[in-house]
Amino acid sequence: GAVVSQHPSWVICKSGTSVKIECRSLDFQATTMFWYRQFPKQSLMLMATSNEGSKATYEQGVEKDKFLINHASLTLSTLTVTSAHPEDSSFYICSARRDGTYEQYFGPGTRLTVT
Amino acid sequence: QKEVEQDPGPLSVPEGAIVSLNCTYSNSAFQYFMWYRQYSRKGPELLMYTYSSGNKEDGRFTAQVDKSSKYISLFIRDSQPSDSATYLCAMINNQGGKLIFGQGTELSVKP
Repeated sequence: GAVVSQHPSWVICKSGTSVKIECRSLDFQATTMFWYRQFPKQSLMLMATSNEGSKATYEQGVEKDKFLINHASLTLSTLTVTSAHPEDSSFYICSARRDGTYEQYFGPGTRLTVT
Repeated sequence: QKEVEQDPGPLSVPEGAIVSLNCTYSNSAFQYFMWYRQYSRKGPELLMYTYSSGNKEDGRFTAQVDKSSKYISLFIRDSQPSDSATYLCAMINNQGGKLIFGQGTELSVKP
């Protein structure tokens, strides 16, 4: 149990376009989900915390209008990178906190390349 | 000073060795402690989840928490080449705040 999926696993897009990444908890409910960004050889950088049915909380320095987060159900959160630029190229990872616990499970990640 | 300190390594051991990975922390409010394993280009995988002080064993893995010293450890017995990965410690307080990660230790187990 405790599986989190992410789709797509990798995506290449042109500069100026938008990309949507989906994160699903497959076998548990998650009122709270998280979005991270990871650069090579570095630890995870939290971008935002999303709670089902409410607005996401963004970390300092993360542009909320650029990284749109929607947490529409207890098993699905989406991250949309709007007007993507090459500097947005990165590895994006979501995680889901199992309801009733502090256990946090991660998805396999999405590699975004903006050309 | 970072809230969680973890030696980044790299750490190289021969197959079959016992591996000891450690983290120290400064925030006494941390109550839940986790260890994750991350393979290259993959998301972290939760290995161990413990609450407060004590030991927890799961197969070849043992997690130890010493709250009085603000020190946590992960031991891997009979290490295998497939254990080669980056190991991240993480912790959270009981208010449900953000998971705070260590820098990660890169482990290589040589056949």
